Amino acid sequence: GAGVSQSPSNKVTEKGKDVELRCDPISGHTALYWYRQSLGQGLEFLIYFQGNSAPDKSGLPSDRFSAERTGGSVSTLTIQRTQQEDSAVYLCASRTGGGSNQPQHFGDGTRLSIL
Amino acid sequence: GENVEQHPSTLSVQEGDSAVIKCTYSDSASNYFPWYKQELGKRPQLIIDIRSNVGEKKDQRIAVTLNKTAKHFSLHITETQPEDSAVYFCAAIIIIQGAQKLVFGQGTRLTINP
Repeated sequence: GAGVSQSPSNKVTEKGKDVELRCDPISGHTALYWYRQSLGQGLEFLIYFQGNSAPDKSGLPSDRFSAERTGGSVSTLTIQRTQQEDSAVYLCASRTGGGSNQPQHFGDGTRLSIL
Repeated sequence: GENVEQHPSTLSVQEGDSAVIKCTYSDSASNYFPWYKQELGKRPQLIIDIRSNVGEKKDQRIAVTLNKTAKHFSLHITETQPEDSAVYFCAAIIIIQGAQKLVFGQGTRLTINP
């Protein structure tokens, strides 16, 4: 079946603008994660949604970052007043609701460049 | 600490030789250990995972071993091929503030030399 889908694949914007990144998880997956990956670096956890529970926002680096998940499916990560240090690949992953010991499946990511 | 340590950060081996990447974790309650492969510009892909009720798992040229007492686990790739060149990430479940979280290591850049 279809995997995790992210859009846009690339986004270039000017410093100070707001951006929205979208993630469509695998159908039926109740858990959804956002990660940030700077060039040549590891995976930095940002936020986690599980079903109807309150999201775990402990990884968001500042109040300029926020995310929503509507209807338990599609998620949008919003970055307000972008800064150059926000430039990175933003990865979304989803998994089944069977627990954290189930595999996460990643999308191709959105490559964000702040000029 | 609440982390997963991965070594080495870079690894270069001759084609046909074996490669081993090691990770240590801090939480003795960890029960799930996946490994991901990320080729340049692509998504991380799950290549193998192991749960704490087994000590070793193999899938063709790839194997993972787990030592729960020492809290470390390793990825073994035998008969390496050029297409094995990628960044590999280990991960482990860590209990952080009462919640289970999958924490990733910092990655190992593996280069297979022809």
